[in-house]
Amino acid sequence: DAGVIQSPRHEVTEMGQEVTLRCKPISGHNSLFWYRQTMMRGLELLIYFNNNVPIDDSGMPEDRFSAKMPNASFSTLKIQPSEPRDSAVYFCASRITTGGNQPQHFGDGTRLSIL
Amino acid sequence: DQQVKQNSPSLSVQEGRISILNCDYTNSMFDYFLWYKKYPAEGPTFLISISSIKDKNEDGRFTVFLNKSAKHLSLHIVPSQPGDSAVYFCAASVGQAGTALIFGKGTTLSVSS
Repeated sequence: DAGVIQSPRHEVTEMGQEVTLRCKPISGHNSLFWYRQTMMRGLELLIYFNNNVPIDDSGMPEDRFSAKMPNASFSTLKIQPSEPRDSAVYFCASRITTGGNQPQHFGDGTRLSIL
Repeated sequence: DQQVKQNSPSLSVQEGRISILNCDYTNSMFDYFLWYKKYPAEGPTFLISISSIKDKNEDGRFTVFLNKSAKHLSLHIVPSQPGDSAVYFCAASVGQAGTALIFGKGTTLSVSS
């Protein structure tokens, strides 16, 4: 079974550039989450969607960050313009909301380095 | 202010012995708790969970205990195996795992053979 697929796995770019991270959730899952992991703050939720609709974006750090989910099988997290402090590992997770307390399943992350 | 705390950054255990990982939380509204395991360069993998209406949940070698009055949970691994060496994250949510998960900063477990 295919898990959550994230691309790219690694991204190195210069500050000021636009960065787009991509996520394909597990087929049939209807909730999608974006997390960021840093040494200082650990794993923190940025935004999550239910049935393609953004539910809570209070974790999005600034207006430079935006996320979309145009359909049930694809989501993007965009940073424009990027800054060195955005360097982190970004994880996408998905979950099915039926059948009781189903856990969130994570992708392997995108390691982002902004120079 | 951290709502979920894992106060031990690391733990070393010998193969075959018990590993006990601890987690404390401050938000009394949390009603669902999970443990995830993470290997380097991989995403967190779900391990086991517990609802606040229970005080124990067991799955094979893994048992999670919840003490609501102390706002404390622990993960027991018995017997520990070298393949268990990983970072373990405690997470909590209000209203099931479908809402935002609040993670602790993790405990690195090393199991030596």
